[in-house]
Amino acid sequence: AQSVTQLDSQVPVFEEAPVELRCNYSSSVSVYLFWYVQYPNQGLQLLLKYLSGSTLVKGINGFEAEFNKSQTSFHLRKPSVHISDTAEYFCAVILPSNDYKLSFGAGTTVTVRA
Amino acid sequence: DAGVIQSPRHEVTEMGQEVTLRCKPISGHDYLFWYRQTMMRGLELLIYFNNNVPIDDSGMPEDRFSAKMPNASFSTLKIQPSEPRDSAVYFCASSRTENTGELFFGEGSRLTVL
Repeated sequence: AQSVTQLDSQVPVFEEAPVELRCNYSSSVSVYLFWYVQYPNQGLQLLLKYLSGSTLVKGINGFEAEFNKSQTSFHLRKPSVHISDTAEYFCAVILPSNDYKLSFGAGTTVTVRA
Repeated sequence: DAGVIQSPRHEVTEMGQEVTLRCKPISGHDYLFWYRQTMMRGLELLIYFNNNVPIDDSGMPEDRFSAKMPNASFSTLKIQPSEPRDSAVYFCASSRTENTGELFFGEGSRLTVL
């Protein structure tokens, strides 16, 4: 079975500063990796995904993530955050087979301050 | 385009009452998922359907929970009888076969059982 660990539960950051959210996964086979964002009182929406190919993945709103197979990591980054990036971020993993069960991490709450 | 539509957005009920949550997936999506989100347990997959057929209900907590999908455009999650520990936000999400892991979430139904 696969699992996801998000290493930081809370990340406070100042506006226009960079941010990195850490995600590690464990799996005995190859997996697909995702980052989702949840704004207050809303459902989750997809930020970006890694299925194969280039290990650097670009998503919406200026976010990017890098897949590192040797470290089993998929960290999310943004070079300059805005107040509107305040949200909860979830890393997720799925097996590239007929299993459609996404496993989510516990989430990282990002609070951007002026 | 209309997204995933859930109702009600908020429900407050008393212990022992029946609760029915409703979901309309995005047209053309053949997968439908029900998730539960709590502070203690994070995001949990309860059940998912493919082409209206339940595929995996191993996440359903107990017999008090049931879910149906009578047609491609409608699903219900029912709790009978409800208990205070069922208080949570329940999310419905849908996706297409060819887009593994790319879920589109509704805004959720916040359930409070007194």
